[in-house]
Amino acid sequence: NAGVTQTPKFQVLKTGQSMTLQCAQDMNHEYMSWYRQDPGMGLRLIHYSVGAGITDQGEVPNGYNVSRSTTEDFPLRLLSAAPSQTSVYFCASSSASGTDQHFGDGTRLSIL
Amino acid sequence: GEDVEQSLFLSVREGDSSVINCTYTDSSSTYLYWYKQEPGAGLQLLTYIFSNMDMKQDQRLTVLLNKKDKHLSLRIADTQTGDSAIYFCAERQWGGGNKLTFGTGTQLKVEL
Repeated sequence: NAGVTQTPKFQVLKTGQSMTLQCAQDMNHEYMSWYRQDPGMGLRLIHYSVGAGITDQGEVPNGYNVSRSTTEDFPLRLLSAAPSQTSVYFCASSSASGTDQHFGDGTRLSIL
Repeated sequence: GEDVEQSLFLSVREGDSSVINCTYTDSSSTYLYWYKQEPGAGLQLLTYIFSNMDMKQDQRLTVLLNKKDKHLSLRIADTQTGDSAIYFCAERQWGGGNKLTFGTGTQLKVEL
């Protein structure tokens, strides 16, 4: 099925560890983005990309890196995990027009 | 910065209409969206409205946009138990990329 695929679905890390959350889309969408969802706060934009090789910061970028080497993939890297990064992370892709939007099922990340 | 507000809870009886409200602050928004999130799942795009429209109807869903008051609403006709979920409104920021600002979400509970 076409859509956005995120891996892993669940992850537990220790403080200071690093890891990469994977995101792939097969709809040839130009735009991709990462959000985090915390209780009572809706979703907040971490980083976004408007095409391969182009990324920019969102509202809460500190502690995260991204890259976009292909149209399909947009991984999110946690450099040195902190308990404040415990959250549910969603990857999204969109057509440039904004009328076709898809979210992945999320990665539930706990930092101990 | 931009801020999007929603009431936290709404309870309706099956068969009644539900109206979920949202206020936003960014007058330069291009699109406004309504998403549905079921437990443990990602966000599903329900409908959207372009900022130069004031109403959009899509089967049981009606979106009303009052740009003067920066007020957006989603009406669900003949609400069913399967409509129980969290509903998020979001505005797309002007400029490149799919930069969305989300409300905190409204939990809709449909009772028999």
